[in-house]
Amino acid sequence: DAKTTQPPSMDCAEGRAANLPCNHSTISGNEYVYWYRQIHSQGPQYIIHGLKNNETNEMASLIITEDRKSSTLILPHATLRDTAVYYCIVLHTGTASKLTFGTGTRLQVTL
Amino acid sequence: DADVTQTPRNRITKTGKRIMLECSQTKGHDRMYWYRQDPGLGLQLIYYSFDVKDINKGEISDGYSVSRQAQAKFSLSLESAIPNQTALYFCATSAGSNYGYTFGSGTRLTVV
Repeated sequence: DAKTTQPPSMDCAEGRAANLPCNHSTISGNEYVYWYRQIHSQGPQYIIHGLKNNETNEMASLIITEDRKSSTLILPHATLRDTAVYYCIVLHTGTASKLTFGTGTRLQVTL
Repeated sequence: DADVTQTPRNRITKTGKRIMLECSQTKGHDRMYWYRQDPGLGLQLIYYSFDVKDINKGEISDGYSVSRQAQAKFSLSLESAIPNQTALYFCATSAGSNYGYTFGSGTRLTVV
């Protein structure tokens, strides 16, 4: 599975959009980009995933560049409850694929 | 009730003791996983199972064993606990390779 690179930490003011970047320059054609988050020491929570088209759900939007070498997770109106570690993971679609976590980006939402 | 339930939530045990962490799910998923997390780090895969008769080692399986008793149950055992197995342990399930994982709330294990 392709390796990802994320900034270790970011800050965002409450009510503003949080844009979390992820580089995955070695991604291959059949690998998806997944985003999870972990609030404090709770179990990770699935946010969104995509292959090449931009995706949106009730939690966030995922923007994937045309060459698929990077992506951005957007939380449109960040709240204090969005403070968490966000993990960008590239996952092969093969039957034996497993999630492999890096160290993620620690997002701090402030008043 | 939670989709993925882990027991116990917290456990302190002594070095050399055998301990079992349990995981049960109501999602009806075939795939189950055990991860550990050390402070400040991401999750590392210990073992995974794609169905009841399938068990596979993950990145860090040494010192651990698992049992898939049924589709809904996947247990992790530490045969002889040691202090560097002190960590947060998570169980997860998924419906397949193109689906998100659902994680339990975790078991905080301390080996003294």
